[in-house]
Amino acid sequence: GENVEQHPSTLSVQEGDSAVIKCTYSDSASNYFPWYKQELGKRPQLIIDIRSNVGEKKDQRIAVTLNKTAKHFSLHITETQPEDSAVYFCAVPPTGGFKTIFGAGTRLFVKA
Amino acid sequence: EADIYQTPRYLVIGTGKKITLECSQTMGHDKMYWYQQDPGMELHLIHYSYGVNSTEKGDLSSESTVSRIRTEHFPLTLESARPSHTSQYLCASSEWGGAGETQYFGPGTRLLVL
Repeated sequence: GENVEQHPSTLSVQEGDSAVIKCTYSDSASNYFPWYKQELGKRPQLIIDIRSNVGEKKDQRIAVTLNKTAKHFSLHITETQPEDSAVYFCAVPPTGGFKTIFGAGTRLFVKA
Repeated sequence: EADIYQTPRYLVIGTGKKITLECSQTMGHDKMYWYQQDPGMELHLIHYSYGVNSTEKGDLSSESTVSRIRTEHFPLTLESARPSHTSQYLCASSEWGGAGETQYFGPGTRLLVL
């Protein structure tokens, strides 16, 4: 079955710096890669996603890059702000199966 | 507004009690899920459903059961609560795959078993 690994588990950055979170997956047929953000006490919510026919997608300060050959995709946050502090989850929805596989999560701390 | 609703939001209960956590969605989605999550930690899939009358066990069935009699309703029942069940329970829904499958989460139920 699909295996998803997410790194790092914890990331601490200074406000204004960039943060990068990486996920690797095993199923080469996977074709959709979302990222979710979970703020303290809140539910996980989709913040950005990418499909396999593009290599990069940007939305203001966040971007996602995809390397299908190497089977990894990354979340990039530039000019980090304290409100970016949260837990971020990558996910790989099913192709032949029925279960989305989530990464273990990255706890991002942005120090003011 | 289309959303996912969970009740109760908070529950404190004694060991051995039977409890049911409610989840309803007005998203019109066929697929629904239950996850167990300690605050800020990994999401553990407990049960999922493809549609009415379909239920499957996830990686962490957690001595619980689910039912799916109506598309919009997916309750989770713990037959005999234990302190190890203390956690947050998140319900989610999604549409069938296609070009992409985004999961939409409910606000969660925080359970404390004494």
